Amino acid sequence: GESVGLHLPTLSVQEGDNSIINCAYSNSASDYFIWYKQESGKGPQFIIDIRSNMDKRQGQRVTVLLNKTVKHLSLQIAATQPGDSAVYFCAENMAGGTSYGKLTFGQGTILTVHP
Amino acid sequence: DSGVTQTPKHLITATGQRVTLRCSPRSGDLSVYWYQQSLDQGLQFLIQYYNGEERAKGNILERFSAQQFPDLHSELNLSSLELGDSALYFCASSVIAGYGNGELFFGEGSRLTVL
Repeated sequence: GESVGLHLPTLSVQEGDNSIINCAYSNSASDYFIWYKQESGKGPQFIIDIRSNMDKRQGQRVTVLLNKTVKHLSLQIAATQPGDSAVYFCAENMAGGTSYGKLTFGQGTILTVHP
Repeated sequence: DSGVTQTPKHLITATGQRVTLRCSPRSGDLSVYWYQQSLDQGLQFLIQYYNGEERAKGNILERFSAQQFPDLHSELNLSSLELGDSALYFCASSVIAGYGNGELFFGEGSRLTVL
């Protein structure tokens, strides 16, 4: 059949605003979650991770929230800057797996930050 | 710069041909991962090697194969190429293979175009 490109969700914010990017995951057996950022022409770059025994983790300007009840993950970016413009992916890893690098990536969200 | 080097950056070839993509991991990283990023499938895990041995396998076609050499560099071989194999192929590396810090360091990718 005809293949179609992924239609990525988009989020457009003003510089200095806080951004929230959401992700729904499907595998209730997943116990490790990661956010990656991909800038145009580059490979994905690790932002922050969280294990399933936590519901919140903070990094520098970023916070990840995990709601296992509804299988939802979010990434909050404080004081968003133009350099934060990129595609953001959530990724999950299944419990009991032998490899934390065998990740299932979400479709991604395009974040555009306007000066 | 992630420290992961991929060559070639761009490759154009014809259907039915065979290509080899090369990856040099970060110094000291024992694990190498290959991911495929396409417009319709997103980022998909293909295969992982740890210190020369296959550790995990994803949705890798039988026409594709990979290996990791004693010096830890890895090659992804794609044969009998089809139009649908056109994609960005990423290599990533990490220090360990199993549970632990799941941070992967991605290269900038090899863009394959099959005509």
